[in-house]
Amino acid sequence: QVQLLESGPGLVRPSETLSLACTVSGGSITNNYYWGWIRQPPGKGPEWIGSISYSGATYRNLSLKSRVTMSIDTSKRQFYLKLSSVTAADAAVYYCARAPIRVAGDAFDSWGQGTVVTVSS
Amino acid sequence: DIKMTQSPSSLSASLGDRVTITCRTSHNISLRLNWYQQKPGKAPNLLIYAASTLQSEVPPRFSGSGSGPDFTLTISNLQPEDFATYYCQQSYSTPLTFGGGTKVEIK
Repeated sequence: QVQLLESGPGLVRPSETLSLACTVSGGSITNNYYWGWIRQPPGKGPEWIGSISYSGATYRNLSLKSRVTMSIDTSKRQFYLKLSSVTAADAAVYYCARAPIRVAGDAFDSWGQGTVVTVSS
Repeated sequence: DIKMTQSPSSLSASLGDRVTITCRTSHNISLRLNWYQQKPGKAPNLLIYAASTLQSEVPPRFSGSGSGPDFTLTISNLQPEDFATYYCQQSYSTPLTFGGGTKVEIK
């Protein structure tokens, strides 16, 4: 059974770059899936940040403009998120998740446990 | 962006009740609608995808229906482990968007 695990600093200073990694174990990281990042501010609903395929094709939430960079290293079974110029509004629980490639679009069927990111100086 | 409106935002129900949660989308998204359950401190868990397809290992008391723009999640015979927050999510176009959530509480 696939497992996903987020890693990265829990505290980021304002204006700096948040960097997270997601390690995939127990399942394929290659074709048939998109790999996504979703965040959830305290007390609010989830917000999709973006997704990446095994080949590195990405699609992002344009509300985050050009601040989002995603990459994947299939040899390490990891994919990554960088969010630049963070502000207090970026504080949230960040999740990585898997979405099988389906005609009906992306439904995230496996999630990491989430990592809390605080933005503070 | 496609807006997702869930109702109600919260409800109280008793064990064994039948519960219905609705999700209305701002565009016709055909059947590209997914439902998740989230418990406090945990990641969302996929219940239903493509509007009505039950995810593997999800109990059959959960069911989904509808097509764009109106969808419904029904929980039959509410169980103690069903008290949680439920979210809809559209997979029709990017950005993928989620509803505001419906919290199901014990009456």
